[in-house]
Order: sequence, then C-alpha cells, then structure tokens
Amino acid sequence: AQSVTQLGSHVSVSEGALVLLRCNYSSSVPPYLFWYVQYPNQGLQLLLKYTSAATLVKGINGFEAEFKKSETSFHLTKPSAHMSDAAEYFCAVSAYSGAGSYQLTFGKGTKLSVIP
Amino acid sequence: SAVISQKPSRDICQRGTSLTIQCQVDSQVTMMFWYRQQPGQSLTLIATANQGSEATYESGFVIDKFPISRPNLTFSTLTVSNMSPEDSSIYLCSCTRRGRFPTSGVHSYEQYFGPGTRLTVT
Repeated sequence: AQSVTQLGSHVSVSEGALVLLRCNYSSSVPPYLFWYVQYPNQGLQLLLKYTSAATLVKGINGFEAEFKKSETSFHLTKPSAHMSDAAEYFCAVSAYSGAGSYQLTFGKGTKLSVIP
Repeated sequence: SAVISQKPSRDICQRGTSLTIQCQVDSQVTMMFWYRQQPGQSLTLIATANQGSEATYESGFVIDKFPISRPNLTFSTLTVSNMSPEDSSIYLCSCTRRGRFPTSGVHSYEQYFGPGTRLTVT
C-alpha cells in the first residue's frame, strides 16, 4: 500500500521568494515519486520525477525536488517564485511493477499563490 | 510526450441522464486510465482500461455506473450513467508511455493526462 501526504493545502509566497511545497510518502516497496502541476482549467503536467537515480531531481520551470529516504520526503522547491507559478501542485507516489503496470496515488494537492 | 484530447471539455447535464466522455491519444498506448477530481479534491483513479480486455475498477467504482470502452490502442470512452449532483467533477483521461524525461535523459514509463472534462450535474 502507498500513500502521500502534502502538508499545507494552500501556500502563499511573495514573488522572488523561495517556494517550498512539502510531500511525505509511504510505500511498501521502493517508490517512484512525482510532482505534477495543474494550472486553472487545465490538465496535469509532469514537473519532475524520482526513479531511483539521483536523489536531487531537476524538473521544468526551475523546480527541483530531493528524495530523502530517511525522512520519507520528496519536497518541491524553487529558489525564486514567479507569478506564473501560481497553480495547484500534486505529489504522487507509484510502485512500479514492470511493463508499464503501476498505479499513481496522489496527495490532496497544494495550491500555490504568488503575491506581487 | 503523449498528447491527449478529451471531448467534451465541459458539460452541464440533468440528473438521471448519462454522458459519454471521449479520450483520444496521439499514438498507440497500452494502458489508459480514468480519474475523477471532485471539487477541491485530489485525483482518484476510477479504472484502468487495457485494449482487448475488461476495464479494472477501483474500490468504490462499478461498471454499471462508469462503463468504459477501449476499442483500440488510441481511444477510450467513459460513460457516467444515471447522473446525480454528486457526480459533478472533473474527469481526466490518462495514459502511460515509455519515454525519456527531458532533464535527466532517463528512460522510463511516464504517465500523461488529458485536459479533463468538467461535468456539472443539476
């Protein structure tokens, strides 16, 4: 069984400030971890993912996340927030069983607001 | 990346009616998924649809309420039957495909999502 907990349903940051969105996971097998972004009235877009390679993962739009096994965390960060980063962010965990057979379990999401 | 389109993008339906949502992928994929995102909530998997076999439903979802078709490797439909206001949600189609993530160059299976169908039941 696997689950994801995102701390904070709503985070506000000033433009130019650090973005930190928290995600903790639980998984009975080595996990694959993902961050997705959903802009208003749009589908989900993959930001980045961890697949047991480097623990620090760089994604699109300047985001990165660090996999910390000891803390079962996969927090998303960006050094300097931009107005266009305002969106909802979902952390997801997947236990990959081969041949494309796996299931994503999503967290409840964190809505990021960027204040000018 | 996979390009997924959905029709309709949104609809307002009356209680007791049914709506069929279409999902088209720009290339052949093995696995397709249907998710529901209720207002202010995260995504919940409804079912997994593989071509040539019956869809596999998650706990809490049944075929009579959410019949799914998967006639070929690029297309699937989800029907929301006998709708009630509780069915008002965004319904998202998704697929997996082997690809290479742009920043790492690592090959793996990735999951892509369509833009969603926003359903309001009155």
